[in-house]
Amino acid sequence: DIQMTQSPSSVSASIGDRVTITCRASQGISSWLAWYQQKPGKAPYLLIYAASSLQSGVPSRFSGSGSGTDFTLTISSLQPEDFATYSCQQANSFPLTFGGGTKVEIK
Amino acid sequence: QVQLQESGPGLVKPSETLSLTCTVSGGSVRSGIYYWSWIRQPPGKGLEWIGHISYSGTTNYNPSLKSRVTISVDTSKNQFSLKLNSVTAADTAVYYCARVVPAPGGGWFDPWGQGTLVTVSS
Repeated sequence: DIQMTQSPSSVSASIGDRVTITCRASQGISSWLAWYQQKPGKAPYLLIYAASSLQSGVPSRFSGSGSGTDFTLTISSLQPEDFATYSCQQANSFPLTFGGGTKVEIK
Repeated sequence: QVQLQESGPGLVKPSETLSLTCTVSGGSVRSGIYYWSWIRQPPGKGLEWIGHISYSGTTNYNPSLKSRVTISVDTSKNQFSLKLNSVTAADTAVYYCARVVPAPGGGWFDPWGQGTLVTVSS
């Protein structure tokens, strides 16, 4: 199985801050990576697929980059509605696996 | 706009079978483009892919659960279902159904159902 490791596990930030979350795969996955946002008590919501493609309707302050084993999710200017947990998922091979999540908290 | 909704018992006894159904609205499970998947999340933990099915019944399961899992599809009801047998407390989780947008090595999940908490306890 491909292990997905996210860092940090949590980050405290203020409104307007730039936030970067990292996801590392245990082996190369090309660009087959997705990012999800999950708010407490809610289902995950697809933000980015194929490492850098923004899902329709997702604000442009979200962006993704990377390929191979190292990926990043960046929120360019944190908004109140962005406080949530973010998870990466590899779509390169079965079984599909997720990172452990990064919680973005209010500073 | 496709919507998914999970249904089934919220409490299952140890050693018994967990059974859930996902009803799809605004779209069809007969679509040859997508797969239909189950994912779970134990309380306070990360997400775990359980498996998925195509409209024709082709399945792919997580090896960690494969011996206990069956996913099936009912195109007449526009539903797909999950059965997980011989459950233990470790199977306590929020169970989500989701549509899979295929990618060469697997796919990503969009949209998701709201999730249903299943507790395994006597």
